[in-house]
Amino acid sequence: AAGVIQSPRHLIKEKRETATLKCYPIPRHDTVYWYQQGPGQDPQFLISFYEKMQSDKGSIPDRFSAQQFSDYHSELNMSSLELGDSALYFCASSVRDYTNTGELFFGEGSRLTVL
Amino acid sequence: AQKITQTQPGMFVQEKEAVTLDCTYDTSDQSYGLFWYKQPSSGEMIFLIYQGSYDEQNATEGRYSLNFQKARKSANLVISASQLGDSAMYFCAMIHWGNQFYFGTGTSLTVIP
Repeated sequence: AAGVIQSPRHLIKEKRETATLKCYPIPRHDTVYWYQQGPGQDPQFLISFYEKMQSDKGSIPDRFSAQQFSDYHSELNMSSLELGDSALYFCASSVRDYTNTGELFFGEGSRLTVL
Repeated sequence: AQKITQTQPGMFVQEKEAVTLDCTYDTSDQSYGLFWYKQPSSGEMIFLIYQGSYDEQNATEGRYSLNFQKARKSANLVISASQLGDSAMYFCAMIHWGNQFYFGTGTSLTVIP
C-alpha cells in the first residue's frame, strides 16, 4: 500500500542557506502535518494543511514557510538556516474524518543537518 | 490547551513478558483520537494503535492493546509477550482531527533477553 513519501531523506546545508522538504501524502488524504524532532526530543508540531489551506500553526519559525499544492503534496521551505534547525522533519497525512478512523500515518522523515 | 503526559522516561521488560506504558491526556473536547507510535533508533515513526474518543471498546492490534479509561483520561499501551525488536521509543499522541497532533515526551523501552 502507498505510504507517505518524504524527500529528500537526508539533506546537508550550510548556515544561512535555504532548504526545501517535500511531502507526498497517502492518496485521498486531504490533511498534511509537519513536525520537527530535534535530537533526543519529542516531535514538535510546526504546521498543518487541510484542502490546500493552512489549518493550524504551531511552533514554526518565521524563517520557515509551507504550502499544500493542488495535488495535495506539501513543501516546507526553510531559509536562513541555523545550526539549531538540524533535526528530523516528519510529514504525516490523514483524512479529516470526524468519525475518527485513526487513519493518520507518518513518512520516514527527512533528516536535515546544518553545518 | 491539550496536553499529553508520559511519566516513564525509561522502562525495562524481560523478553516474553508484558509491559504497560502510561499515557494521560488533558482535553476539554469530546471528540479526539489517541495514538501510539513506535520510533526505533532508525528514526521512522511507526503507527501501532488508535483509539477514538467515542470508541467504547479498547483497541487491540496484535500484541498491542490500548487500555482506554476516558473518565481518568488515560490511554495506556500494553505490549504482550515482549520481543527484542520492541526496544524503541514509544510516543503517545492525541489529535483533534484536522488540527494539531500533540505528542508526549516518549518512553524508552528496553527489552532484556
